[in-house]
Amino acid sequence: EAQVTQNPRYLITVTGKKLTVTCSQNMNHEYMSWYRQDPGLGLRQIYYSMNVEVTDKGDVPEGYKVSRKEKRNFPLILESPSPNQTSLYFCASSARDSYGYTFGSGTRLTVV
Amino acid sequence: DQQVKQNSPSLSVQEGRISILNCDYTNSMFDYFLWYKKYPAEGPTFLISISSIKDKNEDGRFTVFLNKSAKHLSLHIVPSQPGDSAVYFCAASRYSGGGADGLTFGKGTHLIIQP
Repeated sequence: EAQVTQNPRYLITVTGKKLTVTCSQNMNHEYMSWYRQDPGLGLRQIYYSMNVEVTDKGDVPEGYKVSRKEKRNFPLILESPSPNQTSLYFCASSARDSYGYTFGSGTRLTVV
Repeated sequence: DQQVKQNSPSLSVQEGRISILNCDYTNSMFDYFLWYKKYPAEGPTFLISISSIKDKNEDGRFTVFLNKSAKHLSLHIVPSQPGDSAVYFCAASRYSGGGADGLTFGKGTHLIIQP
C-alpha cells in the first residue's frame, strides 16, 4: 500500500531532551515536507526537500532540523525541544511535477 | 502575514444542501490551488485542485471555482452528505511544475453537515 509512515504516533517528552520523528514513504517521491498543525493556525510548513541532500526552510523552521540522506526518509529532529513545540506534526510527500501531496497520519508531540 | 486565508472557522449546512467553502489569497505568484479534507486523528487527504489557467474544475459532487482577479477560490459540495463533515484546508503552490517547495495552507474551515 502506498503510504507515508510516521513514527511515533504519540510522544511525551521533557524540555531539552533531543528527539527524532521519523518519516518514510514507499512511493519513490522526490518531494517531502514537514508541517505542524496548531489550533487556530492551520498547517504551517517547517522544512521541505526537493530531493536527496536538498532541503530548505519553510515558514516556521526555528528549533527544528531535517536531513534527506535517502529518497524515502525525511526525519525531523528537535535538538532541544521546548513547550512551544507541543503540536501535531505531519510529514508529506509528492512526486516530481505533482502537487498532490500524500500525508502521514501525524505525530502528536507534547513537551513538558 | 497569512498568504492563504479561510475566514470562516466553521460552517454548518443541512444534509442535501450545497456547502460553499471560501478561500482568499494574497500572493499573486501562486499558480496552483488545492483543497484538502481532514478527519480527526488522520492526515489531510487531497480532494480537488485547480490550475491558475482555469476558472473551474469539477469532480463528482465537488467543484472548485477560481477568480484570479479577485484572488478568491471556493469549493462547492453538492449535495452535502454526513461523511463530508470534516475540516477543509485550502492550499496553494507557487510552482507551475509541481509543488517542489511544498504547499501554503489556510487555517481551515470546519464543515458540519446536519441531518
